[in-house]
Amino acid sequence: DAGITQSPRYKITETGRQVTLMCHQTWSHSYMFWYRQDLGHGLRLIYYSAAADITDKGEVPDGYVVSRSKTENFPLTLESATRSQTSVYFCASRRPSSYNEQFFGPGTRLTVL
Amino acid sequence: KQEVTQIPAALSVPEGENLVLNCSFTDSAIYNLQWFRQDPGKGLTSLLLIQSSQREQTSGRLNASLDKSSGRSTLYIAASQPGDSATYLCAVTLGGGADGLTFGKGTHLIIQP
Repeated sequence: DAGITQSPRYKITETGRQVTLMCHQTWSHSYMFWYRQDLGHGLRLIYYSAAADITDKGEVPDGYVVSRSKTENFPLTLESATRSQTSVYFCASRRPSSYNEQFFGPGTRLTVL
Repeated sequence: KQEVTQIPAALSVPEGENLVLNCSFTDSAIYNLQWFRQDPGKGLTSLLLIQSSQREQTSGRLNASLDKSSGRSTLYIAASQPGDSATYLCAVTLGGGADGLTFGKGTHLIIQP
């Protein structure tokens, strides 16, 4: 039971480059989420998706783009990376009837130089 | 806007002690509350989920309580062990749909052998 996987686990990039973080879940959960974790801020919601082709903004969406063409994948793209986007990114998912219990992937540590 | 506060921010206790971690939230109209554990450099592991209609949940040595009216939850850890050392996060959600979680900043717990 693989659950949620994220790739890459670590990424170093430069300011202005486009970066895509991948998230894949094997449970066929309809809901998926992207969070970022920063010292002093805790975890904050970036984007979420209720189903394939349905996405919506969270608390901190600026500078990010998401897509969801398949239920199991939810990639997060930084169109033009900035140093302020240096963070640890977590993907999560949940079943529709699980009282919103969310399960998290291992995270991607992104450094923007 | 929902805000979640966790007290204390850090705690160090000798092995074997019972301890309580606190979580408070500003909007009592929550759908549920979830406690997570996060080990250094790792993802989040779900420990307990309490639905808004419940008062407490138990799993092994862990017991979480919820008082919606006062906006408080506690996580009780019995007979602490060095393996319990981690950061404990509290998170709430307001809705049962695609709502994301609002997190506290966590309590960093160290159990001294």
